[in-house]
Amino acid sequence: DSGVTQTPKHLITATGQRVTLRCSPRSGDLSVYWYQQSLDQGLQFLIQYYNGEERAKGNILERFSAQQFPDLHSELNLSSLELGDSALYFCASTLEDGDTEAFFGQGTRLTVV
Amino acid sequence: AQSVTQPDIHITVSEGASLELRCNYSYGATPYLFWYVQSPGQGLQLLLKYFSGDTLVQGIKGFEAEFKRSQSSFNLRKPSVHWSDAAEYFCAVGSKSSGDKLTFGTGTRLAVRP
Repeated sequence: DSGVTQTPKHLITATGQRVTLRCSPRSGDLSVYWYQQSLDQGLQFLIQYYNGEERAKGNILERFSAQQFPDLHSELNLSSLELGDSALYFCASTLEDGDTEAFFGQGTRLTVV
Repeated sequence: AQSVTQPDIHITVSEGASLELRCNYSYGATPYLFWYVQSPGQGLQLLLKYFSGDTLVQGIKGFEAEFKRSQSSFNLRKPSVHWSDAAEYFCAVGSKSSGDKLTFGTGTRLAVRP
């Protein structure tokens, strides 16, 4: 158990809908990362937050957004969903910004139908 | 831009045989290198990491990896594979200058023959 909790574990939704994925980092970790794992793109970095502020952006679509709350949990919002958004979404956390050992949650599997 | 190449998509070995999974990276400075394992339906578990120092690093579950700067490689090895090692293995590279985000290889799926 990495200590990173992601909910829900599975999500099935229709095209055009909006969903929210939640991540609770390890206790004390300030930095949260979101990754997308899909069959065609592999594991790709989406976005990083550190202590409530956006720190780095990767290949994140404009239809996607994220935030980190004062209690350090993070949410990834996916809107106007398309079939191609079906993927496993991972959250990872690190203690500090600049700490490269990341601990991953078990992921949320999103299926868009 | 940093990149990671895992040239083997699938590997099958017999239980008890030795294993080597290949990883090559491209990065301008000294990278931080990682191996993660993903079992079916599970998240990513860190096997081992290299930041600096001794180029042969030991990890969990009997795995080790060797950083070879001249070859830009960080191959994962295990002397005797167990059936429970069947999983997908990902090599990743990161650094402080990249904002600590990890760049992953495409993964190698390991099957173990009884």
